[in-house]
Amino acid sequence: DQQVKQNSPSLSVQEGRISILNCDYTNSMFDYFLWYKKYPAEGPTFLISISSIKDKNEDGRFTVFLNKSAKHLSLHIVPSQPGDSAVYFCAARYGGADGLTFGKGTHLIIQP
Amino acid sequence: GAVVSQHPSRVICKSGTSVKIECRSLDFQATTMFWYRQFPKQSLMLMATSNEGSKATYEQGVEKDKFLINHASLTLSTLTVTSAHPEDSSFYICSARDLYSYEQYFGPGTRLTVT
Repeated sequence: DQQVKQNSPSLSVQEGRISILNCDYTNSMFDYFLWYKKYPAEGPTFLISISSIKDKNEDGRFTVFLNKSAKHLSLHIVPSQPGDSAVYFCAARYGGADGLTFGKGTHLIIQP
Repeated sequence: GAVVSQHPSRVICKSGTSVKIECRSLDFQATTMFWYRQFPKQSLMLMATSNEGSKATYEQGVEKDKFLINHASLTLSTLTVTSAHPEDSSFYICSARDLYSYEQYFGPGTRLTVT
């Protein structure tokens, strides 16, 4: 049973446009959500996070939105740049358990 | 700052042998480290939580006797894959939680291939 779901294995976006990556979760106990960027054969790199008490967090070109009632979060990247091409993982955790539960990832491809 | 290293970066071993993977926090202290495993085109799966000076906590389905974890200091955790089999071939990634900031930082991963 996958508690964190990223239903789009891949996404192709034109350079300069907005990239929107989606993530759904089923465990209502999750209270902290994170997005990681990962290149092949490397560890994940932290991008941005959001606490369940917020509905939006912004950091430069990256914005994460959280809809608790829908158990849905999304990562917006604008404008998209070629260096953004990577696999993006959504992750979640809940108080008392520090290990992260990851989605399967979405491969973002930025086209020139 | 906040660098986590893993050694080796890749290892090939024969079936039946044991392999040790090290995870080090280079510029911060970590009482807690985590070990993940990633299969090709799959998610990262949490295997175990390693606490300095105490026994590791394993996730359901992960064999404790096969994946031995030792966290002897605030900067080092080791994962030993014992009696390795080809199905243990995978990408193993550790993360370390900063003692003071509670942020988690990931290592670069170790590619294990068992022949």
